[in-house]
Amino acid sequence: DIQMTQSPASLSASLEEIVTITCKASQGIDDYLSWYQQKPGKSPQLLIYDATSLADGVPSRFSGSRSGTQYSLKISRPQVDDSGIYYCLQSYSTPYTFGAGTKLELK
Amino acid sequence: EVQLVETGGGLVQPGKSLKLTCATSGFTFSNAWMHWVRQSPEKQLEWVAQIKAKSNNYATYYAESVKGRFTISRDDSKSSVYLQMNSLKEEDTAIYYCTWGLGAYWGQGVMVTVSS
Repeated sequence: DIQMTQSPASLSASLEEIVTITCKASQGIDDYLSWYQQKPGKSPQLLIYDATSLADGVPSRFSGSRSGTQYSLKISRPQVDDSGIYYCLQSYSTPYTFGAGTKLELK
Repeated sequence: EVQLVETGGGLVQPGKSLKLTCATSGFTFSNAWMHWVRQSPEKQLEWVAQIKAKSNNYATYYAESVKGRFTISRDDSKSSVYLQMNSLKEEDTAIYYCTWGLGAYWGQGVMVTVSS
């Protein structure tokens, strides 16, 4: 199975910072990597697919990138509404696997 | 408008069975690859099962943790996907989501609690 190691587990950031969350895959996943945001009581919402493609309706302050088998989600000048839990998902091969999540708090 | 609505959750004793239904609308269901994903009380997301379309012979795939106990199926005439859960364990307690292709469209989730 492909392991997705996500970091950090939690993060407190100011509205002026650039927030970066990373997921390292245990093997190559050919950019079959998505990022989701989840707010309390809601379903996960797709932010990024295919590692770098922005999902419809997602603000341009969100972006995705890759370096080797490490994938990153960047939030530039985050807004208070960006608080929540962020997850990565590899859909390269079954069993598809999620990262453990990053809880983001904006201060 | 794309909609996915899960039903069938509830409280069940260990060892018992439960069947979840996900009714969909707003897209061509017969061509869609459908998944079930669950979220534990600790907020960990876990992919559970996938069923492909008729053109892919309705191929199914499962997480190791549910293989042999859970069965995913679909009825294209009803635009619905199902998850039959047998021999339930306390560790199956979670919110269960159905999702179209693990993409932008997820249901609101249904709670399954396995407890004596």
